[in-house]
Amino acid sequence: DAGVTQSPTHLIKTRGQHVTLRCSPISGHKSVSWYQQVLGQGPQFIFQYYEKEERGRGNFPDRFSARQFPNYSSELNVNALLLGDSALYLCASSAFTSGGAPVNEQFFGPGTRLTVL
Amino acid sequence: AQKVTQAQTEISVVEKEDVTLDCVYETRDTTYYLFWYKQPPSGELVFLIRRNSFDEQNEISGRYSWNFQKSTSSFNFTITASQVVDSAVYFCALSLIQGAQKLVFGQGTRLTINP
Repeated sequence: DAGVTQSPTHLIKTRGQHVTLRCSPISGHKSVSWYQQVLGQGPQFIFQYYEKEERGRGNFPDRFSARQFPNYSSELNVNALLLGDSALYLCASSAFTSGGAPVNEQFFGPGTRLTVL
Repeated sequence: AQKVTQAQTEISVVEKEDVTLDCVYETRDTTYYLFWYKQPPSGELVFLIRRNSFDEQNEISGRYSWNFQKSTSSFNFTITASQVVDSAVYFCALSLIQGAQKLVFGQGTRLTINP
């Protein structure tokens, strides 16, 4: 079975530009989460989406937005890029019970490495 | 708010030595999960274990073992007879059982196993 997939693998942008990162969850998983990992640090939570609705948001500016599609894939958008947005962006998928409790752990994709010049 | 602290930034040992990675967490909630993830140079986070706050039983999986102690808010990870392939950055993380499945990660411990 395919794991979590992310595209692109690498991306180079300049300050002020906009970027869209994509993620496809494991088949059967309806939740997708996004994390930002700056070099040398642990991942930081950005968003979680479940059944196409935002379930949680981390402490990130409004320049960061996301959405989830009917097939449960997701996009992370970042506007007005800053040098500090350079990081590895990780997507994770997971399953939930109808009661809202996680069924299992979050499975991570290989990440998209974004460099802002 | 939740917080995870991994005080050991880097550890370097010789192959076949045992090594313990420390993790201390803070949360006011009584129901939560604790995790360990491994991040090899490729960058992908690999899940190792999840523990429920209700279950303080220690766990062993091959050369890996985990010691969960609520009294000290610690969830330590031991690798027995380390191998070069164990070299990676290891992250401890916490998430609450209810609400958003937000993982709060520690800073990570870079483990280097020398031949």
